[in-house]
Amino acid sequence: NAGVMQNPRHLVRRRGQEARLRCSPMKGHSHVYWYRQLPEEGLKFMVYLQKENIIDESGMPKERFSAEFPKEGPSILRIQQVVRGDSAAYFCASSPLQGVGVLTFGAGSRLTVL
Amino acid sequence: SQQGEEDPQALSIQEGENATMNCSYKTSINNLQWYRQNSGRGLVHLILIRSNEREKHSGRLRVTLDTSKKSSSLLITASRAADTASYFCATDAVNSGGYQKVTFGTGTKLQVIP
Repeated sequence: NAGVMQNPRHLVRRRGQEARLRCSPMKGHSHVYWYRQLPEEGLKFMVYLQKENIIDESGMPKERFSAEFPKEGPSILRIQQVVRGDSAAYFCASSPLQGVGVLTFGAGSRLTVL
Repeated sequence: SQQGEEDPQALSIQEGENATMNCSYKTSINNLQWYRQNSGRGLVHLILIRSNEREKHSGRLRVTLDTSKKSSSLLITASRAADTASYFCATDAVNSGGYQKVTFGTGTKLQVIP
């Protein structure tokens, strides 16, 4: 059981480039959450997805950010035309069922925008 | 917005002492959880307490929940240097859309001095 796998662990992008962050949930988990964490701060909810459905994207900026969780393959958080303020750690978590509550987290992807 | 607010923001104690962290939240919840984050790592689930429970123990951890005051506390007894980490409370509630949402507080940074 490999747990929640995130890649890349570290990503450096220049302003204006695109960043793609991938998350493979734990085996058997069909719910994926993305959170953003700025240095020395807490986790800010971004988006909640089930397979092929975005359930709640209220925490995700309307522009430049998108997320998907296709039927096959990992969940992807995509940031277009990155800016310096996008530099942060992005964590993915998964759970098996809605209502269970306990989240299993990946190790995070650290995005640095130059 | 953050659902939970932890207090204190930072705590420094000697090894062997007890550490107490508090969490306040704003809305009704299904359960409340505590997570731990070592520097540069993902979050690890510690303990979950349901809204109809008042106290729960797990090893050296003791969690209390007061739903009338919308607050919880995490007590770590006989602390060890390895307990040095950030601790987050997370509330699990069903939102207006009818689905579960897990929202994290701002965290308490605990330092245990050997």
